[in-house]
Amino acid sequence: DIQMTQSPSSLSASVGDRVTITCRASQSIASSLNWYQQKPGQAPKVLIYAASNLQSGVPSRFSGSGSGTDFTLTISSLQPEDFATYYCQQSYNSPRTFGQGTKVEI
Amino acid sequence: EVQLVESGGGLVQPGGSLRLSCAASGFTFSSYSMHWVRQSPGKGLEFVSGIRSNGDRTYYANSVKGRFTISRDNSNNTLYLQMGSLRAEDMGLYYCARDTGYTSSWYDYWGQGTLVTVSS
Repeated sequence: DIQMTQSPSSLSASVGDRVTITCRASQSIASSLNWYQQKPGQAPKVLIYAASNLQSGVPSRFSGSGSGTDFTLTISSLQPEDFATYYCQQSYNSPRTFGQGTKVEI
Repeated sequence: EVQLVESGGGLVQPGGSLRLSCAASGFTFSSYSMHWVRQSPGKGLEFVSGIRSNGDRTYYANSVKGRFTISRDNSNNTLYLQMGSLRAEDMGLYYCARDTGYTSSWYDYWGQGTLVTVSS
């Protein structure tokens, strides 16, 4: 199975901060990397698909980059509604493994 | 509007069985691969199982292979997960999710989940 490792596991930030979360795959996954946001009590929601594509309806302050084994999710200016847990997921092959999550806290 | 509604969760003893269902509406169910993803209490997301649109191919996490069976009924727009030999580590919230089916696919819709508790 492909292992996905996110860092950091948690971070504290303030409204307006630029936030960067990284995700590393244990082998090359080309651009088959997705980012999800999950708020307490809610199902996850896709933000970025295929490494750098913004899902329809997602604010442009979210962006993704990377290919191969190293990927990044960036929030350019953190908003109050962005405090949540973020997961990366590879869809290069099955099983579709997730990273362990990054909790973004105030 | 796309809707995915899971049901069938509950309390089951270790070694027991349970069948989860996911009722889909608002899209052509038979055109999409569907997956189950679980989340243990306070933990992260874990892929459990997936099935292609016509049911001809299935996928399982190593942790559930041989104990769980995924299936679908395209005439009734319903996804199933038959769970057997349940263990404490199978406890959690089970989501069904629609897979976009592209080469580098993603989950574009999720249900709200159904809770499975394994305890004596």
